[in-house]
Amino acid sequence: QSALTQPPSVSGSPGQSVTISCTGTSSDVGSYNRVSWYQQPPGTAPKLMIYEVSNRPSGVPDRFSGSKSGNTASLTISGLQAEDEADYYCSSYTSSSTPHVVFGGGTKLTVL
Amino acid sequence: QVQLVESGGGVVQPGGSLRLSCAASGFTFSDYGIHWLRQAPGKGLEWVSFIRYDGSNKYYADSVKGRFTISRDNSKNTLYLQMNSLRGEDTALYYCAKDLAAAGTSYCFDYWGQGTLVTVSS
Repeated sequence: QSALTQPPSVSGSPGQSVTISCTGTSSDVGSYNRVSWYQQPPGTAPKLMIYEVSNRPSGVPDRFSGSKSGNTASLTISGLQAEDEADYYCSSYTSSSTPHVVFGGGTKLTVL
Repeated sequence: QVQLVESGGGVVQPGGSLRLSCAASGFTFSDYGIHWLRQAPGKGLEWVSFIRYDGSNKYYADSVKGRFTISRDNSKNTLYLQMNSLRGEDTALYYCAKDLAAAGTSYCFDYWGQGTLVTVSS
């Protein structure tokens, strides 16, 4: 059982928008703006897409955006493209003793 | 460009040992903390260990504490993970990943290697 809760799967058609939620607690998501999102296409290493809740690294399309409300963070992908099909993982810093970072169980995004 | 290349994985019997390496290039290795993470087949991501940029502090997940040791050689731009007393549940693809923050610890991983597979089986 993962520390952060994500839906196992989401889907959308090309051009649509989808949102993936990531629910934690007041010890992690709710208290720190250290939420990150990673994209992992099949057979590849994870890639950082969002850091510190809503910041995009250089090279990540602005179709990807992040937000947070209370203990829940969200990743929104607008203008879905076939290449967006992948697993997405959220992570958060946690004030609990090690590990200092916790992950969600991952969400499989299917582009219909 | 930033590159991280893991090596040293393989098949090992329960109770055995392995040493993983992670060769870094494309950035000032000695300025950044580096993490090990793993992903069991078909499963999610798990943080394993972290070492500060200068090697002064090291952290471990409870699941590996006392069995795994992280180290680095800044003169060789290389990170290591010594894994002892291996168990079946250690079977996973092991990634090294660079911390986003220079001279700090953000627990955000901005570059990842491609991983090296460790299989613990008799």
